[in-house]
Amino acid sequence: RKEVEQDPGPFNVPEGATVAFNCTYSNSASQSFFWYRQDCRKEPKLLMSVYSSGNEDGRFTAQLNRASQYISLLIRDSKLSDSATYLCVVNIRIDTGRRALTFGSGTRLQVQP
Amino acid sequence: DTGVSQNPRHKITKRGQNVTFRCDPISEHNRLYWYRQTLGQGPEFLTYFQNEAQLEKSRLLSDRFSAERPKGSFSTLEIQRTEQGDSAMYLCASSFRRTRETQYFGPGTRLLVL
Repeated sequence: RKEVEQDPGPFNVPEGATVAFNCTYSNSASQSFFWYRQDCRKEPKLLMSVYSSGNEDGRFTAQLNRASQYISLLIRDSKLSDSATYLCVVNIRIDTGRRALTFGSGTRLQVQP
Repeated sequence: DTGVSQNPRHKITKRGQNVTFRCDPISEHNRLYWYRQTLGQGPEFLTYFQNEAQLEKSRLLSDRFSAERPKGSFSTLEIQRTEQGDSAMYLCASSFRRTRETQYFGPGTRLLVL
């Protein structure tokens, strides 16, 4: 079982739609959670951190459910420029003090005019 | 440009050759990471430095792979005796030690082994 699992998509939605992505993680010791965005053939870029109480940044809302080990990302009023792959990311601390990120395989979003 | 830089951006090599990639992190960042990404997958952790010390290596990092960060600034990743399965994007990221640190990625080096 992968440590971070995501639906690969693609999600094809019209402009203006609301779309939600889900992610599950297997390690209950996971401490930090993020959504990264990756455009085709580009590097990943941080979209937003995910906090326990849930957080919002403009059209983007992230939720965390520690009990179910589940993370979500909601995008409202989709724009063409939102087309990208969205990577669910967790940061797991182990004895060595590791700070490396564990990435899901990504969910591809295609917003259509 | 004060972001993470990587060189070269693309590398084509023949199987069995050695290749070396360089990463220059954001200047005040003391942590540096190498990841590998193949098509349709998220980046996979390879190794991690805090200053010049290599603190962890993934089991993905076979003995053909070696990474250094001699002065705690730039880092190099060398692959010896390349194999076709080494073809991937090699990403470098850096961060500054603090709670909930953000990792900033470089543009990557795309390796193709023929």
